[in-house]
Amino acid sequence: SYVLTQPPSVSVAPGETARITCGGDNIGDKSVQWYQQKPGQAPVLVIYYNYDRPSGIPERFSGSNSGNTATLTITGVDAGDEADYYCQVWETPNHHRVFGGGTRLTAL
Amino acid sequence: HVHLEQSGAEVNKPGASVTVSCRVSGDSLTQVSMHWLRQRPGKGLEWLGGFHPDDDDRIYAQDFQGRVSMTDDTVTDTAYMELSSLKSEDTAIYYCATEAVGFDHWGQGTLVTVSS
Repeated sequence: SYVLTQPPSVSVAPGETARITCGGDNIGDKSVQWYQQKPGQAPVLVIYYNYDRPSGIPERFSGSNSGNTATLTITGVDAGDEADYYCQVWETPNHHRVFGGGTRLTAL
Repeated sequence: HVHLEQSGAEVNKPGASVTVSCRVSGDSLTQVSMHWLRQRPGKGLEWLGGFHPDDDDRIYAQDFQGRVSMTDDTVTDTAYMELSSLKSEDTAIYYCATEAVGFDHWGQGTLVTVSS
């Protein structure tokens, strides 16, 4: 089965830029979604189709995808961005949905 | 705007089955692609299965094949997920979610505890 690898944690100073990676074999050929999950809450979709934002998601959130790595970038990180972030793709050819293990973002 | 309302917390014994419901409002269940996911305590998100439009059918994660069943009541716009032969490792929060461009609407989650 297809494996997505995320770093367990990322820490940045408030106001700085956080980059959370999601590694997978030729992930650049797939569409990647990103979810934000705060403690005690259901996940929220923040990026779809690699770099598109749902309505209501700030422009500070952006995505990219190439080669074997997809990246979620959050500029001007503040305490409200502290959460777990998960990447997700469709596995081929069985179309199963696959998640990365998640990355905890901390604003130091 | 789609809203998903899930049933309440459950406590079940090992070997039993559990059914979680998810009522759709703001749209018809026949117009959405419903999926089920779970999150074990302190762990990440796991996809159990859901409706795949390209196949016009449900597909299930390999780890749950034969143990999970997903059904719909289109009269009440309620989706159901039944998980059988429960083990302690099935203790988790179970979510329903609709998929359009991603999992864009989520239920509030249902805690299922498996304990003797």
